[in-house]
Amino acid sequence: AQKVTQAQTEISVVEKEDVTLDCVYETRDTTYYLFWYKQPPSGELVFLIRRNSFDEQNEISGRYSWNFQKSTSSFNFTITASQVVDSAVYFCALSGPRYTGANSKLTFGKGITLSVRP
Amino acid sequence: DAGVIQSPRHEVTEMGQEVTLRCKPISGHDYLFWYRQTMMRGLELLIYFNNNVPIDDSGMPEDRFSAKMPNASFSTLKIQPSEPRDSAVYFCASSRREEKLFFGSGTQLSVL
Repeated sequence: AQKVTQAQTEISVVEKEDVTLDCVYETRDTTYYLFWYKQPPSGELVFLIRRNSFDEQNEISGRYSWNFQKSTSSFNFTITASQVVDSAVYFCALSGPRYTGANSKLTFGKGITLSVRP
Repeated sequence: DAGVIQSPRHEVTEMGQEVTLRCKPISGHDYLFWYRQTMMRGLELLIYFNNNVPIDDSGMPEDRFSAKMPNASFSTLKIQPSEPRDSAVYFCASSRREEKLFFGSGTQLSVL
């Protein structure tokens, strides 16, 4: 069975602080995808990143960076110099095996509520 | 481009009533997904379609739930009869092939 654990439920930081959101996953599949989604107060989920299980390279996109470590089954997300607009719920998600399709059978973590105070 | 459009945004109904949630995916997208979000269970996949054909409905909680996709631009999720435990936010999402998933704004359903 697949499982995604986001142990942190709520994080509060002051603007300009760096913050790391943790994600640990469990799967028996040898090929899979990992995702991060953002859910702002408006409610819709916004795609942030997708990694496939073969690609452990870290990724940086502006103030966002992701660290994928297969050895520890973790896919952590760091926001550098956080801003008030980063306040949202952040979800980590795991797909089924790649042959089922990247977006198929996504298992989501419970989410981390990030509050960035001015 | 319009995103995934869901209606209604909010639905309040009484136990036992039929509820129909609607979704218009992004034009050109061939995958459509229905998710449910609750505090207790988080986000759960209910069913997904590829080219209007249901592929996996193993997440549909019980026979009271049904989903259809009569054409590429419209899908419905129906609950009949509704129960208070069905109260949740229901999301529709679509994607083109294996590309990223776009979510709608959700329908907040309250069953009294």
